[in-house]
Amino acid sequence: DIQMTQSPASLSASLGETVTIECRASEDIYNGLAWYQQKPGKSPQLLIYNANSLHTGVPSRFSGSGSGTQYSLKINSLQSEDVASYFCQQYYDYPLYTFGAGTKLELK
Amino acid sequence: QVQLKESGPGLVQPSQTLSLTCTVSGFSLTSYHVHWVRQPPGKGLEWMGVMWSDGDTSYNSALKSRLSISRDTSKSQVFLKMSSLQTEDTATYYCAREDSGDVYFDYWGQGVMVTVSS
Repeated sequence: DIQMTQSPASLSASLGETVTIECRASEDIYNGLAWYQQKPGKSPQLLIYNANSLHTGVPSRFSGSGSGTQYSLKINSLQSEDVASYFCQQYYDYPLYTFGAGTKLELK
Repeated sequence: QVQLKESGPGLVQPSQTLSLTCTVSGFSLTSYHVHWVRQPPGKGLEWMGVMWSDGDTSYNSALKSRLSISRDTSKSQVFLKMSSLQTEDTATYYCAREDSGDVYFDYWGQGVMVTVSS
């Protein structure tokens, strides 16, 4: 199985700040990566797919990048509504999806 | 609009069988694949298995011996049954729809928390 190592586990940032969350795959996943946002008590929401494509309706302050085994999610100009948990998902090894452990983003 | 909603018992005794239902609306089970994913408290997500749109199934090999996924298309429902539950199976269980043009999940249910305890 492909292992996904996500960091950091938690993150505290100020409004307007830029934050970056990273995922490292145990092998090359050829951009087969998605990022999700999950607010407490809510369903996960797709943000980014194919490593760098913004899902419909997602604010442009979210962006994804990376290749090979290293990927990142960047949030520019942090807003209060961005407080949530974020996790990555690889789907290169379809359908044996594996996920990162998640990052909990809080306001400082 | 597209919705998925999980339902089932919140508490299951060890060694018993878990039965969950995912009721979908806004799309057809014969056109989209529906997956089951779970998340133990404080841990990461684990893919469990999938009901393919053609009615076939695939399972995570780690769970395959205990897991069964089925569906009733007339009721727009996908079912999960997992036997021989242990405390390690305590988790929030989600169903999720796979995007039609790609393989990520475009919609998820809100999840149902299942506790395995006597």
